[in-house]
Amino acid sequence: QSVLTQPPSASGTPGQRVTISCSGSSSNIGSNYVYWYQQLPGTAPKLLISRNNQRPSGVPDRFSGSKSGTSASLAISGLRSEDEADYYCAAWDGSLSGLYVFGTGTKVTVL
Amino acid sequence: EVQLVQSGAEVKKPGESLKISCKGSGYSFTSYWIGWVRQMPGKGLEWMGIIYPGDSDTRYSPSFQGQVTISADKSISTAYLQWSSLKASDIAMYYCARHGCSGGTCYSDYWGQGTLVTVSS
Repeated sequence: QSVLTQPPSASGTPGQRVTISCSGSSSNIGSNYVYWYQQLPGTAPKLLISRNNQRPSGVPDRFSGSKSGTSASLAISGLRSEDEADYYCAAWDGSLSGLYVFGTGTKVTVL
Repeated sequence: EVQLVQSGAEVKKPGESLKISCKGSGYSFTSYWIGWVRQMPGKGLEWMGIIYPGDSDTRYSPSFQGQVTISADKSISTAYLQWSSLKASDIAMYYCARHGCSGGTCYSDYWGQGTLVTVSS
């Protein structure tokens, strides 16, 4: 069902910068905001980035989001061990009657 | 503080019915949509659908239309996800999530802790 494509994995050493891509289409990312979620092992997803690049209260400024055309990216700078998690992008898709679509997910490993 | 508290883990047999719940607190329950998201073991997130408790307007993902029923009881600030006949393929963690919607688009902000559904004979 995933219509947003992410790389399955990404990794980095502590302190490095890691970037995750999210590719969609004109009916989702191309015409709506992108959201990013962090899912730590064994826990529920948590909203990390709202409206392409807005951080909800409490989210460290090490996390940043951007969007261009039908693609988006999440960057984690100053990587920390507690950032090891699954990350999902999401966007509203206006095709058919409308639905919220998630990316395929990216597992970030801190080496 | 916004909280979504889901009902506990369930173990059911194939063919049985099931209704799981999600109780919202800390916000106006009738002013936000509530959605359900499936996560099968070791897999990603799949959006199932949403309901507006204020008037019970419900939208389903085409992948889940006819497979589940989403409902809500605004008098007790609780949303539900139910199956009439469970299958082994329904084994998953199910999350409820509050959705903010405007201009015809929605997104999820707060999530419940998840309800694990196991189906086994």
